[in-house]
Formats: sequence, C-alpha cells, structure tokens
Amino acid sequence: GQSLEQPSEVTAVEGAIVQINCTYQTSGFYGLSWYQQHDGGAPTFLSYNALDGLEETGRFSSFLSRSDSYGYLLLQELQMKDSASYFCALNDYKLSFGAGTTVTVRA
Amino acid sequence: ETGVTQTPRHLVMGMTNKKSLKCEQHLGHNAMYWYKQSAKKPLELMFVYNFKEQTENNSVPSRFSPECPNSSHLFLHLHTLQPEDSALYLCASSQENAGGKNTEAFFGQGTRLTVV
Repeated sequence: GQSLEQPSEVTAVEGAIVQINCTYQTSGFYGLSWYQQHDGGAPTFLSYNALDGLEETGRFSSFLSRSDSYGYLLLQELQMKDSASYFCALNDYKLSFGAGTTVTVRA
Repeated sequence: ETGVTQTPRHLVMGMTNKKSLKCEQHLGHNAMYWYKQSAKKPLELMFVYNFKEQTENNSVPSRFSPECPNSSHLFLHLHTLQPEDSALYLCASSQENAGGKNTEAFFGQGTRLTVV
C-alpha cells in the first residue's frame, strides 16, 4: 500500500515562508502532487513533481527527493488567502492523499 | 458548464433511505473517482473508473454502489447508510495517458452528506 505523512498544522505571519514536509512509503509511483483546499471548497491542484528537484510556480515551489522518500511544498510571501489545508498526494493510476496540513496565516 | 459538477451540494438522509449522488465532468477526461473526506482524516479513495471500467474498489461497504454509464458521468448510489457515513463526498476526474499516468485531478465541490 501507500502512506503519506505530513504535519497537521502550521501557523505563520503574513509575508513569512512556510515549508510543509511530506514523507511517504510506496512500492511505486509516477510523481508527487500538492493540492490546496479552502474551508468548504474543493481541492485544487497546485504542483506536480515527476522528477527529483524543485518546481517553481509563482510564490509556491515543490520539491521531491525519491531517494529520501520525501517532498515539500514551500509557500513564500504568505498572504491571508493562503490560509487553507494543503495535501500531498502520490500519483500512480490514482491519487493517494496525505491527511493534510492546515496552514493559518496571521496578520 | 465547465469543470466537475456535483449534485446535490447537501443531502440529509435517514438510515433507511435510498439516494444517489451525481457527478458530471466537462473536461473530456477518461478517469473519474469518488473520494470520502471526513473531518481530520485523509481523503479516502473509494472507487476509480478508467474508460468507464471500475479499476478500484477500495474495500468500500456494499451500501455504496457506484455507476459510470459513460466517461462524463459518475453516480454513487446510497442505501441503508450509517451515521458514520456522514462526510463530504468528492468526485474528481483526470486524464490518464497511455502509460497509466495521471498528473492533475480536478475536483467537484462535493456533496455534504448527513445520515440521521
């Protein structure tokens, strides 16, 4: 089977940088994805890493190290609207999600 | 309509009722999924359909019955549910390529189900 671990909560102030780590166990996968979900909303795709290294998309970056079974999502220049839950997910022929990290941004 | 649409958005049902959740995707994708999201828990994959064929049933109780009549529509039929089945049920779709790879999934807004 597959399992993913990520911290349950992170709190930071506006303008700060937050890193959400994700460690996983799997027998095989194509890539690691990240999704954002605001309260009452649908999860929306943020980023996908098929290869080791850093992928940058605006203020958000994602990193994957297959040898360490580890990835992270980096949120820069935090804004209030970034308060949400963030999920890492393993991609094979389906998506398997972690439990999510609730990010709270304070003024 | 664009994206993934789920109806109804909210549903309250008794334990003896039969109801159905509907999902429609307008993205031309070939894979559709049902997920269950309970408070403080990971999104739990329930069913996967690739090219209208069910490819995964993640040990879901038989009181949940999926139906995929075509690549754009997915239903979840519910009967004799339990209060612990109360949750947000999310539908998603993605495009699976020839190698079986899915990169991005698009989710509907979900159906908030309450079983009383």
